[in-house]
Amino acid sequence: AQRVTQPEKLLSVFKGAPVELKCNYSYSGSPELFWYVQYSRQRLQLLLRHISRESIKGFTADLNKGETSFHLKKPFAQEEDSAMYYCALREGAQKLVFGQGTRLTINP
Amino acid sequence: DVKVTQSSRYLVKRTGEKVFLECVQDMDHENMFWYRQDPGLGLRLIYFSYDVKMKEKGDIPEGYSVSREKKERFSLILESASTNQTSMYLCASSLQGRAYNEQFFGPGTRLTVL
Repeated sequence: AQRVTQPEKLLSVFKGAPVELKCNYSYSGSPELFWYVQYSRQRLQLLLRHISRESIKGFTADLNKGETSFHLKKPFAQEEDSAMYYCALREGAQKLVFGQGTRLTINP
Repeated sequence: DVKVTQSSRYLVKRTGEKVFLECVQDMDHENMFWYRQDPGLGLRLIYFSYDVKMKEKGDIPEGYSVSREKKERFSLILESASTNQTSMYLCASSLQGRAYNEQFFGPGTRLTVL
């Protein structure tokens, strides 16, 4: 079965420090991976997808097939980055499998 | 903007009651989803619908059923609510096809079963 693992439930860093949210997956084919984010009192929304190879709000994520990882990184954290982050893997044609989520807190 | 709305933000029900959670999307999306969101467990798919009157079980369908009579509306039904169904319920929708993987989420319904 396909799985997505986010090993850290909670992550706390200081403003200006680098951030890395870990995501590991298990999938036998060619994976499609995403990061979703939920800010306080807002709905869950797409942050970025690996296929686009984009940087959104300073965040990037590189797919590493050898390590089966898709870690989310930002070089300098900002207080507005505090949120719940979910890594997700496309399953079949339409569905997503989500990880357990990591709550990121940026301390001033 | 895609808009997904859910009928209630907060709901309190008693054990054994039948509960209906409604979700409506206004962007003509084919796919609609119901998830549970629990701390430490992430989002777990309850049911998924890819067309009117079509449904597919997700990872945790036990104790739930769904209805999709119109394209824009997807209902989640708890036939006999139990305390272990206390949770945040999220509805989502998406277009079909590999190029349209983004799911758009509603604001959620926090259900408490007493």
